[in-house]
Amino acid sequence: EAGVAQSPRYKIIEKRQSVAFWCNPISGHATLYWYQQILGQGPKLLIQFQNNGVVDDSQLPKDRFSAERLKGVDSTLKIQPAKLEDSAVYLCASSPTSGGVTDTQYFGPGTRLTVL
Amino acid sequence: GENVEQHPSTLSVQEGDSAVIKCTYSDSASNYFPWYKQELGKGPQLIIDIRSNVGEKKDQRIAVTLNKTAKHFSLHITETQPEDSAVYFCAASIGQGAQKLVFGQGTRLTINP
Repeated sequence: EAGVAQSPRYKIIEKRQSVAFWCNPISGHATLYWYQQILGQGPKLLIQFQNNGVVDDSQLPKDRFSAERLKGVDSTLKIQPAKLEDSAVYLCASSPTSGGVTDTQYFGPGTRLTVL
Repeated sequence: GENVEQHPSTLSVQEGDSAVIKCTYSDSASNYFPWYKQELGKGPQLIIDIRSNVGEKKDQRIAVTLNKTAKHFSLHITETQPEDSAVYFCAASIGQGAQKLVFGQGTRLTINP
């Protein structure tokens, strides 16, 4: 079974530029998560989708971050404009059902963003 | 807000010895506590989890214990091997209804041969 795919793996941009990350979850997984992992910290949930609807985006900085999950499959996360403090690894995860937090989350390898 | 504290931040043990990582949580409604292992360049991977109706769970060399009264839970790795070297994260579920996971800060475990 293929895992969660993310691209690009690395991205370097200057502050105030825009950037987009792509995630392809495990086939058939209903729930998709985007996490931000700052160096030396644990992942922090940015947004959770169930199929193509948003379940939780309370920690998404909506003035600069946006995310969508088209047709309940792939997802993109965008930052516009980027700030220095956005430098982090952006992790995508998926879980098989809509059964809630006890569903195992399968993480992708992440996209490492550096904002100069 | 609700948070999870994890200690120590780094841990170095001799191969074959045991390693213990501890976490505390603040939300009394938390009822699910997974542990993740993250190797360099990879995303976290679930290694074991425990629910609030259980005090201890074991899976081969890995065990997790939960003390709901004290709001802390621990990961125990016995007979450590070099491949156990990684960053380990604890997490706790928070919130009512649509819960989410809050992660600890991580522990970098190094197994010395």
